[in-house]
Amino acid sequence: DGGITQSPKYLFRKEGQNVTLSCEQNLNHDAMYWYRQDPGQGLRLIYYSQIVNDFQKGDIAEGYSVSREKKESFPLTVTSAQKNPTAFYLCASSIVAGGSLNEQFFGPGTRLTVL
Amino acid sequence: GDSVTQMEGPVTLSEEAFLTINCTYTATGYPSLFWYVQYPGEGLQLLLKATKADDKGSNKGFEATYRKETTSFHLEKGSVQVSDSAVYFCALLKGSNYQLIWGAGTKLIIKP
Repeated sequence: DGGITQSPKYLFRKEGQNVTLSCEQNLNHDAMYWYRQDPGQGLRLIYYSQIVNDFQKGDIAEGYSVSREKKESFPLTVTSAQKNPTAFYLCASSIVAGGSLNEQFFGPGTRLTVL
Repeated sequence: GDSVTQMEGPVTLSEEAFLTINCTYTATGYPSLFWYVQYPGEGLQLLLKATKADDKGSNKGFEATYRKETTSFHLEKGSVQVSDSAVYFCALLKGSNYQLIWGAGTKLIIKP
């Protein structure tokens, strides 16, 4: 079955530690996205990538980093510079970054808690 | 700039009631419009979409019509079920860099 997987589902981190969230897709999509969701709020874009080896900052990129070395993988690192990292993180992908084909497919999410 | 405004929740209804969740947008040109649904503890799923004015998107008994004159894309369902309880997000496709602009989400609670 095609889809997007995120791991782990729950993640706990101590303050001052970096942590990497995994996102893998087997949909052969060019574009991938990372969003952050806080309780009772909408989604905010952290980073997005339209093609392998290229990515752009979204609205709240500070304290985060990404890489896109393979088409199917788009890992997100939450660094110690992120002031309030506890949140629900969602990864998504789409066939292309624009036009009417921009339907985004989402993974199940990773809930990160900083202790 | 482009934006999406949804009615605040939670919206609480009884089973078989009629549902409307309001969504209005501000954007230049003719954006594509989407409704996504998020069930508890899960990611988002596309519910329906419309790509041009007067288009009607529909899926699972839900409908929404792209109204250019009122810049709206209200979500409706004639008879809701307990299983429809979820958070619903309205979004528009931003033409300049092909990013989705999201509303804040509306939590829907259906009581038996």
